[in-house]
Amino acid sequence: KNEVEQSPQNLTAQEGEFITINCSYSVGISALHWLQQHPGGGIVSLFMLSSGKKKHGRLIATINIQEKHSSLHITASHPRDSAVYICAVSTSGNTPLVFGKGTRLSVIA
Amino acid sequence: EAGVAQSPRYKIIEKRQSVAFWCNPISGHATLYWYQQILGQGPKLLIQFQNNGVVDDSQLPKDRFSAERLKGVDSTLKIQPAKLEDSAVYLCASSHGRTFGYGYTFGSGTRLTVV
Repeated sequence: KNEVEQSPQNLTAQEGEFITINCSYSVGISALHWLQQHPGGGIVSLFMLSSGKKKHGRLIATINIQEKHSSLHITASHPRDSAVYICAVSTSGNTPLVFGKGTRLSVIA
Repeated sequence: EAGVAQSPRYKIIEKRQSVAFWCNPISGHATLYWYQQILGQGPKLLIQFQNNGVVDDSQLPKDRFSAERLKGVDSTLKIQPAKLEDSAVYLCASSHGRTFGYGYTFGSGTRLTVV
């Protein structure tokens, strides 16, 4: 059974701080997703990766397949980054995503 | 490209009442998922469709939940009768499954409150 663990569960940061959220998983995967969920329920896909590193604006996602670990970084954090960030993995084929429990981020001005 | 459409956005019902949610996936996406997300937890798969067939419904509480995808496009999820513990966000997602990452796209969800 694939387990997805995220840390920390909750994170409070001052505006401008560099933020890191970590994700570890237990079995081989085909892709790892970083998702953002704002209050109200909607989920937005931020990144999908299977190796290396991706960057979009102030967001950077990295993955180490050998170590089964991924990180999401936010540079120059802003209050609008406040949300729940969820790590999810897909194993193979058209299988459902396995989700972590999420990291609740609050950025204070 | 239009996203995954869900309705309603919010619903409040009394326990023992019935409720239905609707999802329209991205055009061409063969696979459709319904997830239940209870406050403070990650989403949990309820049911997965491939076209109009069920692939996995092992975690669907079949005594009260039902879902269908009659023409392999839109899907409805029904709860009858609802219980207090059904209060959650119900997320619909779709994927095409043809290339890396499978094009997972989520709807905005339906927040259900059972009182």
